[in-house]
Amino acid sequence: QVQLVESGGGVVQPGTSLRLSCVVSGFTFRNYGMHWVRQAPGKGLEWVAVFWADGSQEYYADSVKGRFTVSRDIVRNILYLQMNSLRAEDTAVYYCARDMDINSRYSRLDPWGQGTLVTVSS
Amino acid sequence: QSALTQPASVSGSPGQSITISCTGTSSDIGGYNSVSWYQQHPGKAPKVMIYDVTKRPSGDSNRFAGSKSGNTASLTISGLQPEDEADYYCTSYTSDKKLVFGGGTKLTVL
Repeated sequence: QVQLVESGGGVVQPGTSLRLSCVVSGFTFRNYGMHWVRQAPGKGLEWVAVFWADGSQEYYADSVKGRFTVSRDIVRNILYLQMNSLRAEDTAVYYCARDMDINSRYSRLDPWGQGTLVTVSS
Repeated sequence: QSALTQPASVSGSPGQSITISCTGTSSDIGGYNSVSWYQQHPGKAPKVMIYDVTKRPSGDSNRFAGSKSGNTASLTISGLQPEDEADYYCTSYTSDKKLVFGGGTKLTVL
């Protein structure tokens, strides 16, 4: 069955870096766009970034642009989120999700992983 | 990119119907038929309930229906059941090829 499993979260200090991983299985990874979405404690969902299926495009939320980078390894079936210059406001559960929309309009994120918690604190 | 606007909370009794609105702009909801709705129970990952404005994933409940008029999308849940109590989020594709979420609506089944 389709599975997405995030890892790499933890407690880090402001200004430092962290790399999250999302290991996928049960589908052909290179055929799908992938997203990162985060949720601060007690808050709503916030879109973070997308990596297009054909590998040609990446887009980022304004709040992370220039600090975060999304990438993938299609051999190992892993989606990454490199997070640099972390801030307290980046504290959140980070989810990866598969994009089922063949038109690249992000209309169906399905399924989602269980999430990994990143805490940025001194 | 500003978040889409949803009511903070709605409530209804079992068996009733409720509607959650989601308002954006012509650069997101009004410009594309790429609106989705996600259900999230506490401590769980979100689950897509509606995509492409009106479509339901196969096998999912037909008590959930989506619609759109202009810059506003809506999610209607009919025949409310206790398990429908959750947070609901709308999303839309945007003109700058990003995704925007609504602020979320907490549904309480009385």
